[in-house]
Amino acid sequence: AQSVTQLGSHVSVSEGALVLLRCNYSSSVPPYLFWYVQYPNQGLQLLLKYTTGATLVKGINGFEAEFKKSETSFHLTKPSAHMSDAAEYFCAVRGSSASKIIFGSGTRLSIRP
Amino acid sequence: NAGVTQTPKFQVLKTGQSMTLQCAQDMNHEYMSWYRQDPGMGLRLIHYSVGAGITDQGEVPNGYNVSRSTTEDFPLRLLSAAPSQTSVYFCASRGQGGGSNTGELFFGEGSRLTVL
Repeated sequence: AQSVTQLGSHVSVSEGALVLLRCNYSSSVPPYLFWYVQYPNQGLQLLLKYTTGATLVKGINGFEAEFKKSETSFHLTKPSAHMSDAAEYFCAVRGSSASKIIFGSGTRLSIRP
Repeated sequence: NAGVTQTPKFQVLKTGQSMTLQCAQDMNHEYMSWYRQDPGMGLRLIHYSVGAGITDQGEVPNGYNVSRSTTEDFPLRLLSAAPSQTSVYFCASRGQGGGSNTGELFFGEGSRLTVL
């Protein structure tokens, strides 16, 4: 079985500051891990994903995430926040031998001018 | 390329009424799924299907039925709507198999359902 925990339902940072959104997962098999972003009144779109290989993955809009197996974490970072990054972010996990994808509860990111 | 199309976008029901949320994809994806999104709860998986004729339950299946008669369509049925089913519903699909296809979901724009 898989599960995802996102720490912090709301994160607020200043424009230009580091963005760090936390995600911890549980999976009984090697996981595939994803970050999705949802802008207001829209569906979800993929930011980045980890499957196998390099543990540091880069996504769209300057975001990246690092898969740390020992910590069962897949935190999302961006060095410098932009106003357009304000959105809700979801971490998701899928077991490599499983079909379904399970999402975390989401983190709303606000950017202060 | 339409991707994943959901209808209707908005619906208001009275308690006890039935309705079907439609979902269609034109990407020849084997896997399709339905999620509901509620504040503070994230997206919770209702039902999913790995191919025509095959469906399975997700995290919150009670009160919902699905069927998969074709690869393209995956309707979600509410047989007797309840206020607890007020939510935003998302349909999502992905391809099967290995290679570069490693589970990315493609989402519809959502269907907002209110049950009075």
